[in-house]
Amino acid sequence: KQEVTQIPAALSVPEGENLVLNCSFTDSAIYNLQWFRQDPGKGLTSLLLIQSSQREQTSGRLNASLDKSSGRSTLYIAASQPGDSATYLCAGSSGAGSYQLTFGKGTKLSVIP
Amino acid sequence: GAVVSQHPSRVICKSGTSVKIECRSLDFQATTMFWYRQFPKKSLMLMATSNEGSKATYEQGVEKDKFLINHASLTLSTLTVTSAHPEDSSFYICSASGHNYGYTFGSGTRLTVV
Repeated sequence: KQEVTQIPAALSVPEGENLVLNCSFTDSAIYNLQWFRQDPGKGLTSLLLIQSSQREQTSGRLNASLDKSSGRSTLYIAASQPGDSATYLCAGSSGAGSYQLTFGKGTKLSVIP
Repeated sequence: GAVVSQHPSRVICKSGTSVKIECRSLDFQATTMFWYRQFPKKSLMLMATSNEGSKATYEQGVEKDKFLINHASLTLSTLTVTSAHPEDSSFYICSASGHNYGYTFGSGTRLTVV
């Protein structure tokens, strides 16, 4: 059974700093890995999707990588802004025929002005 | 892009009543939708997988008779919390898979049972 772990649980950084969020998973047969953002009391917003054949995806100041052999994914945020403050969740699906996602508990990011 | 609409965003109900939550895919057909529940400071937990035209598949520990799921069309799935109790108070989120195998989530429903 896939297990997803995110470390740290919370992170506070000054505005402008670059940062990395970590996600690890137990089943290297992971198919897709997706990073989400969740604002308090809100639903999830998809940030980046890394499909099985890919190693990284980039969108603006965000870059996500996937290393299936080591069971790790990272989300890199460049030049952080206060508006980036939110909880970031990673989730993986196992198997091409499975649409089920297993989520980590998330990392709560606070960017201090 | 793919959009999933979830309604209502917030609902307060009395203990013992039933509440229906709707999840619609607005610009794509979703043969499969998922229902999640999130407790404070916890990760999202999959409750059930909803397949259009067939019975939902529930995760272990989720009561089928309490959380009724209906997926009557390719764009609509509903979750009905029957005979709600305070311990059912939670944040419920639906999602649907688009053509690129990504997942689009609804905005969530905050259920408070008093």
